[in-house]
Amino acid sequence: DAGVTQSPTHLIKTRGQQVTLRCSPKSGHDTVSWYQQALGQGPQFIFQYYEEEERQRGNFPDRFSGHQFPNYSSELNVNALLLGDSALYLCASSRGLAGLSTDTQYFGPGTRLTVL
Amino acid sequence: LAKTTQPISMDSYEGQEVNITCSHNNIATNDYITWYQQFPSQGPRFIIQGYKTKVTNEVASLFIPADRKSSTLSLPRVSLSDTAVYYCLVGGMNTGFQKLVFGTGTRLLVSP
Repeated sequence: DAGVTQSPTHLIKTRGQQVTLRCSPKSGHDTVSWYQQALGQGPQFIFQYYEEEERQRGNFPDRFSGHQFPNYSSELNVNALLLGDSALYLCASSRGLAGLSTDTQYFGPGTRLTVL
Repeated sequence: LAKTTQPISMDSYEGQEVNITCSHNNIATNDYITWYQQFPSQGPRFIIQGYKTKVTNEVASLFIPADRKSSTLSLPRVSLSDTAVYYCLVGGMNTGFQKLVFGTGTRLLVSP
């Protein structure tokens, strides 16, 4: 049973560029959440997708956008990269329970993004 | 979501029992308590979750007093590989789509 997978593992971009990160949820999970973790800090919630729609959003600018596909996989897009976007980006999956709540979230290994 | 307070760091030796306490004074009636473990450059790993009293699994135990304003994660006989950051989170299971709110966690260092 495959867990949550993310790609790529590492990524280096320059300021102003755009980046797309990918996530495949754990088997049986239909809800995907994205988190940003700066060095030395706890993960910060970006947004959550269920049934291909954004259901909740944290305090992140519109430069951060996402998408969920019919197979439940998800993408995180960040436009106009800033130096401060350098972080570990984590994807977590869970089961949406009748669209009302979500089960325990399981995290992937993350994508390390470095913006130069 | 309820805010949590944990010690910033703890030190222990191999073979000892480690107890990490988390305060969550304004926990809501439908909030659960969840603990995650995170190693450097890896995603957090779910350890244990509970609502009240005591929960035990193959990895840890979670003790929750009657007033639920705090909880204690107990790691029996730690090893060097238990060196990690441990996060305590509280949140409702039936309050809509759940976002996890992480604090800065507790850095546990296990020495030989």
